[in-house]
Amino acid sequence: AQSVTQPDIHITVSEGASLELRCNYSYGATPYLFWYVQSPGQGLQLLLKYFSGDTLVQGIKGFEAEFKRSQSSFNLRKPSVHWSDAAEYFCAVGAREGSQGNLIFGKGTKLSVKP
Amino acid sequence: NAGVMQNPRHLVRRRGQEARLRCSPMKGHSHVYWYRQLPEEGLKFMVYLQKENIIDESGMPKERFSAEFPKEGPSILRIQQVVRGDSAAYFCASSPGLVGAHEQFFGPGTRLTVL
Repeated sequence: AQSVTQPDIHITVSEGASLELRCNYSYGATPYLFWYVQSPGQGLQLLLKYFSGDTLVQGIKGFEAEFKRSQSSFNLRKPSVHWSDAAEYFCAVGAREGSQGNLIFGKGTKLSVKP
Repeated sequence: NAGVMQNPRHLVRRRGQEARLRCSPMKGHSHVYWYRQLPEEGLKFMVYLQKENIIDESGMPKERFSAEFPKEGPSILRIQQVVRGDSAAYFCASSPGLVGAHEQFFGPGTRLTVL
């Protein structure tokens, strides 16, 4: 079955520290890959996406993610976290073919930032 | 440059009442997706619509739930005879079409509370 796993439910980092949020997927073929961020009470904002090409993807707000086919992973990174990055982060996948385009989401990782 | 609009943002209903959630996609977008987010969960796909057509409703509960996207006006997600388990955040997303169909832009959500 198609699924997305975000192993870390909650992560706390100090402001200025580096961040890595993990995402693994189970899919029949390489899917499209996304990271979204959700602030409390808000909708989802797209941080970055991978469709094809360079496996290191740059996004907004200084985030990047690396697609590793051999590990079925698409981990999100940021070299220096800011207090405003505190939010919930969702990894999602979408099928390349034979799909109507709906996304499958992980359960999310809540990020807290210590001053 | 309005994004995806959803209203109401918050909706309170008593058990047995009807809930109507509205979604206006981004300008130029003809594809609408509805997702439901239960507490501590990621988003789960419900239904995918194009103008006047339901394309994929595989994520919709078999009873009490319906969706439409008329030629004119917003998309509507309708929940009849609501129960407490329907309490959740409901998100609408839109995309411009088959090209880039997997890049979905999300609205702020409607938070439904069933008393």
